[in-house]
Amino acid sequence: DVKVTQSSRYLVKRTGEKVFLECVQDMDHENMFWYRQDPGLGLRLIYFSYDVKMKEKGDIPEGYSVSREKKERFSLILESASTNQTSMYLCASTSLGTSGTDTQYFGPGTRLTVL
Amino acid sequence: GQNIDQPTEMTATEGAIVQINCTYQTSGFNGLFWYQQHAGEAPTFLSYNVLDGLEEKGRFSSFLSRSKGYSYLLLKELQMKDSASYLCAVRDPNSGGYQKVTFGIGTKLQVIP
Repeated sequence: DVKVTQSSRYLVKRTGEKVFLECVQDMDHENMFWYRQDPGLGLRLIYFSYDVKMKEKGDIPEGYSVSREKKERFSLILESASTNQTSMYLCASTSLGTSGTDTQYFGPGTRLTVL
Repeated sequence: GQNIDQPTEMTATEGAIVQINCTYQTSGFNGLFWYQQHAGEAPTFLSYNVLDGLEEKGRFSSFLSRSKGYSYLLLKELQMKDSASYLCAVRDPNSGGYQKVTFGIGTKLQVIP
């Protein structure tokens, strides 16, 4: 079974704090993703990585950065948290192939509240 | 750009059949996914279509028409546990670099007794 884990299920931070969200996958997947999910807006891609030390901006990268030092771990960083970053954050991973299902496997999510 | 439309909410009766529609407009197409997401949980994969036609998997089936930019998810013999959001997602090979998957906002299905 593919397993994607995230460091916290719930997190409460204050405005201006630096926040780290960690994601680890155990299937040797090349691609990893960070999404946020908000009511009425669905899943929106923040950043993705297709290899160690490689990263690409998604649709809404502003206010976020990422780090991928090891293949199994992809971190999302909020340099200075703001209230509009209160959301559910979902990490996902998938293998490199673009044929077949190559479905994304999601972690359980981190519900972040910024006060 | 990418645009994916699906109804926001649906209600259906236990034991019945429900069809959840999804229409998409993307610059390219390389597969359509359906995911199920229970409240407070992560999305889980249900089905994948890349060619026209119907794919059946137990009580769930998914249909694709590429010429119409249209898909539906069919759930038969509805059970209370099928109450969840159903996300339609399209993979676009023309999104620059990586074949990005774009998600619809999801259809919240409520199954009632």
